[in-house]
Amino acid sequence: QVHLQESGPGLVKPSETLSLTCTVSGGSISAYWWSWIRQPAGKGLQWIGHIDNSGSANYNTSLKSRVTMSADTSKNQLSLKVISATAADTAIYYCATSSYTGFDFWGQGILVTVSS
Amino acid sequence: EIVLTQSPGTLSLSPGERATLSCRASQSVSSSFLAWYQQRPGQPPRLLIYAASNRAKGIPDRFSGSGSGTDFTLTISRLEPEDFAVYYCQQYDNSLPMYTFGQGTKLEIK
Repeated sequence: QVHLQESGPGLVKPSETLSLTCTVSGGSISAYWWSWIRQPAGKGLQWIGHIDNSGSANYNTSLKSRVTMSADTSKNQLSLKVISATAADTAIYYCATSSYTGFDFWGQGILVTVSS
Repeated sequence: EIVLTQSPGTLSLSPGERATLSCRASQSVSSSFLAWYQQRPGQPPRLLIYAASNRAKGIPDRFSGSGSGTDFTLTISRLEPEDFAVYYCQQYDNSLPMYTFGQGTKLEIK
């Protein structure tokens, strides 16, 4: 069974870039599609974007101008960057396997706070 | 963009009772692309149902999904203490492509 672990800074200053990594074990990242999903405290889930196994990415239209996702097959890692971070980007960030039928495996999530 | 609206916002029931959760889409959704998740406090969501009515691996058979078009339902036949959690529906729109979630239904102990 694939295991996912998010990592990165827990605190980001406003206007700076939020950068996270998802390390995958128990399976090759080339075998799956991958999504990033976030959840502000006490609120619902928002899909950020996904990257397929050819490296092609699609993003939520509401975030598209600020988000970049990539995959490093040599390290079996995924990355997420959100530029020009604001307090509205404060959330728990999850990586997950994705397909047409949904999100099967999830990481435990990482809390990122955007604050000076 | 397809909007999913879940009802009720909060459902108060007792263990052993039957729970019926609703998910309504702003336009027709392919049943193949409709899923349900359970999220317990401090945990990531867990896939329960995919393609509207198929239980994910390891999900007890007291969980069932149904529906088509714009109206979908998650039913828990007899509530166990561990079932009290927040439930989300989610759809995939392959024309954009994009995933969206409903706002969630909190199932609480009465």
